[in-house]
Amino acid sequence: AQKITQTQPGMFVQEKEAVTLDCTYDTSDPSYGLFWYKQPSSGEMIFLIYQGSYDQQNATEGRYSLNFQKARKSANLVISASQLGDSAMYFCAMRDTSGTYKYIFGTGTRLKVLA
Amino acid sequence: EAQVTQNPRYLITVTGKKLTVTCSQNMNHEYMSWYRQDPGLGLRQIYYSMNVEVTDKGDVPEGYKVSRKEKRNFPLILESPSPNQTSLYFCASRGGGVGYGYTFGSGTRLTVV
Repeated sequence: AQKITQTQPGMFVQEKEAVTLDCTYDTSDPSYGLFWYKQPSSGEMIFLIYQGSYDQQNATEGRYSLNFQKARKSANLVISASQLGDSAMYFCAMRDTSGTYKYIFGTGTRLKVLA
Repeated sequence: EAQVTQNPRYLITVTGKKLTVTCSQNMNHEYMSWYRQDPGLGLRQIYYSMNVEVTDKGDVPEGYKVSRKEKRNFPLILESPSPNQTSLYFCASRGGGVGYGYTFGSGTRLTVV
């Protein structure tokens, strides 16, 4: 069965520093997608970045990059040059292509950026 | 503006009183889904739909119903709400490609007393 694990309930980072949010996953499907979402205190869910299981390069979107280590089944989100506006809850998610179309989320990591 | 619209944003109701949370998307997306978010549990999928008249259960479907009669709408129905259904609910839609992330609605905070 699919599973997403985020082991860091909360993290602090100093403004302008980089931070890594951990995500490990488990699936028996060789084809899958990994996603990260941001949820600010206002509550909306914002799609940040996607990595496909067959993608050779790590995904990047502006200050966000995904450190994809397939053998370790990890898909960590790296935020460079943290800003105060990055303070939010971050969710890792996975979708497999087994035909079930299920899309599951981890429990989230709350990030606080300190001035 | 491309968006997913959920209504209402906030709802307080009593146990057993049937309610419907509406969801509509204007992006012609095939896939739609309902999630509930509870502290410490992340988002859990309630139901999802791959197209009109095609729906399937997620991980926590008990006590909920859905329908997909039109591509743009995917309402969530609680026939007899109970206090354990107090939660933050999100509707989401996405396109058909494997790399598409979900676009989420603004959420509905439901309290059942």
